Amino acid sequence: DVKVTQSSRYLVKRTGEKVFLECVQDMDHENMFWYRQDPGLGLRLIYFSYDVKMKEKGDIPEGYSVSREKKERFSLILESASTNQTSMYLCASSSGQGSFGNTIYFGEGSWLTVV
Amino acid sequence: KQEVTQIPAALSVPEGENLVLNCSFTDSAIYNLQWFRQDPGKGLTSLLLIQSSQREQTSGRLNASLDKSSGRSTLYIAASQPGDSATYLCAVYRAGTALIFGKGTTLSVSS
Repeated sequence: DVKVTQSSRYLVKRTGEKVFLECVQDMDHENMFWYRQDPGLGLRLIYFSYDVKMKEKGDIPEGYSVSREKKERFSLILESASTNQTSMYLCASSSGQGSFGNTIYFGEGSWLTVV
Repeated sequence: KQEVTQIPAALSVPEGENLVLNCSFTDSAIYNLQWFRQDPGKGLTSLLLIQSSQREQTSGRLNASLDKSSGRSTLYIAASQPGDSATYLCAVYRAGTALIFGKGTTLSVSS
């Protein structure tokens, strides 16, 4: 089975802190994604990557950055956390480099609260 | 800009009922459509993927249909069970973009 692992399920951080959310997939997928999910707004794409060291902005990249140094790992970085970044963050992966229509697999999510 | 809409936002049914969840999209130039299930506080699980050339896909008690020309997809759940209670999301894919999701329909099946 495909496994997408988000190492932190629940985090509480202070305003202004730098926050790292880590995601690892074990199926050699080329594509990886970070979404955030908020009530009433649904899933919104933050960043995605179709290859090591490659990244593309999604719909809401402001305040975030990403890192993909290895194929299996995609990190989301909040440079200076703010309260409006309190949310559930979902990592996902799929096969097919640069083609995003294959079955997509999600992690369990990371609940981030910024106080 | 592609928009994906799911109506209703919430649905409650008694156990055993057959039901249909709806998904509509504004741009019919899609390559495929996926249906997902999300349990409270968890990630999404892919249920069915329908290619644009297909009209339907089946998995167990689930049947998804796609009508590209009208911009609609339905997810049919037969003989619903309390374990089917979850939020169901659809997402469409067109070349050059990542998946675009609807906001989901939250289903509650009572025993």
